[in-house]
Amino acid sequence: AQSVTQLDSQVPVFEEAPVELRCNYSSSVSVYLFWYVQYPNQGLQLLLKYLSGSTLVESINGFEAEFNKSQTSFHLRKPSVHISDTAEYFCALSLGDKIIFGKGTRLHILP
Amino acid sequence: GAGVSQSPSNKVTEKGKDVELRCDPISGHTALYWYRQRLGQGLEFLIYFQGNSAPDKSGLPSDRFSAERTGESVSTLTIQRTQQEDSAVYLCASSLVWDRGSGSPLHFGNGTRLTVT
Repeated sequence: AQSVTQLDSQVPVFEEAPVELRCNYSSSVSVYLFWYVQYPNQGLQLLLKYLSGSTLVESINGFEAEFNKSQTSFHLRKPSVHISDTAEYFCALSLGDKIIFGKGTRLHILP
Repeated sequence: GAGVSQSPSNKVTEKGKDVELRCDPISGHTALYWYRQRLGQGLEFLIYFQGNSAPDKSGLPSDRFSAERTGESVSTLTIQRTQQEDSAVYLCASSLVWDRGSGSPLHFGNGTRLTVT
């Protein structure tokens, strides 16, 4: 069965430090991968997606994620976080029309 | 522009009562999803509607849960004889026709927070 695993439920990091949010998936077929973000008191919104082509995808606010087929991973990274990055981040994969989400990782930015 | 609208935003109900949650998708979005998010948990897929096709109900946790959608518009999620374990945030999302070449993103509503006492 297909699944998405986010290994860390919470990640504390100091402001301006780098961060990596981990995501691993399990699937016997090709999938598309996504990261969604939920800022405090807001709805979920798409951060970035991998469909095909370059394995490194970027968002407009400095996040990037790399699709690694051999390790079945799609980790999210940012070289320098800002207080405004405080949010919950969800990794997701699509199986045709069904989209499966991980349990989420809450990013805490420490001053 | 109008996004996905869900109502009510909060609902407190007594155990055993029925509840109905409503979702208004973005106009033109043919795909509609319902998810459940329990406290401290991820998004749990419940049901998916795509146009006039038969819905994918594989995520509904029991026969107390049902959902309907009229054409490509409003959807209602009904929970009968509510139990305390039904307490959660119920999220609705819509998207354009799924195109594997473009990966249409999901647009989420703000959810309905259901509390069963």
